[in-house]
Amino acid sequence: RKEVEQDPGPFNVPEGATVAFNCTYSNSASQSFFWYRQDCRKEPKLLMSVYSSGNEDGRFTAQLNRASQYISLLIRDSKLSDSATYLCVVYFSGGYNKLIFGAGTRLAVHP
Amino acid sequence: EAQVTQNPRYLITVTGKKLTVTCSQNMNHEYMSWYRQDPGLGLRQIYYSMNVEVTDKGDVPEGYKVSRKEKRNFPLILESPSPNQTSLYFCARGGPAEYSGNTIYFGEGSWLTVV
Repeated sequence: RKEVEQDPGPFNVPEGATVAFNCTYSNSASQSFFWYRQDCRKEPKLLMSVYSSGNEDGRFTAQLNRASQYISLLIRDSKLSDSATYLCVVYFSGGYNKLIFGAGTRLAVHP
Repeated sequence: EAQVTQNPRYLITVTGKKLTVTCSQNMNHEYMSWYRQDPGLGLRQIYYSMNVEVTDKGDVPEGYKVSRKEKRNFPLILESPSPNQTSLYFCARGGPAEYSGNTIYFGEGSWLTVV
């Protein structure tokens, strides 16, 4: 089983739709969680960190469920410019001390 | 602005011909790393460096070497490339050693094809 798993998609949604991605992780020693965005043939860039209490940044909401070991990303009012691949990133501590990247979920927003 | 610059961006080479992908950063950060990205596998760490002259293996170090003679530069060396090293490579600065809200900055990527 992969340490960080994501549904690869693609998620094809119309503009204005609400879409949610989940990401599961296997190691309960996980300490920090992040969502990165990667445009086609470009480098990944930090979208947002994920906090235990959940956090929101404009149309984007990130949630963490430690008991079930998953994080989620909700995008409201999707724009064409949201089309990208979204990478779930988990920081494992406790001597392991490394970042693990999910393979990514592809989102395609169409008119 | 934080920048990570890697070269070459695109390269087609032949099996066994040594090559080096250069990486430099302008933020004087201690932590740098190299990743490769393959379809369905996500980003996997090849090597990382926590400071000058301090390097260590990541998850997929076989077939690669690195050096960190100065803080700014962190080249990736393929002594004898093979076709299974065909991939998209990212250099990055920042990482778990600094993670308290810090961000990883990636270079633009190097597309490497080994034939």
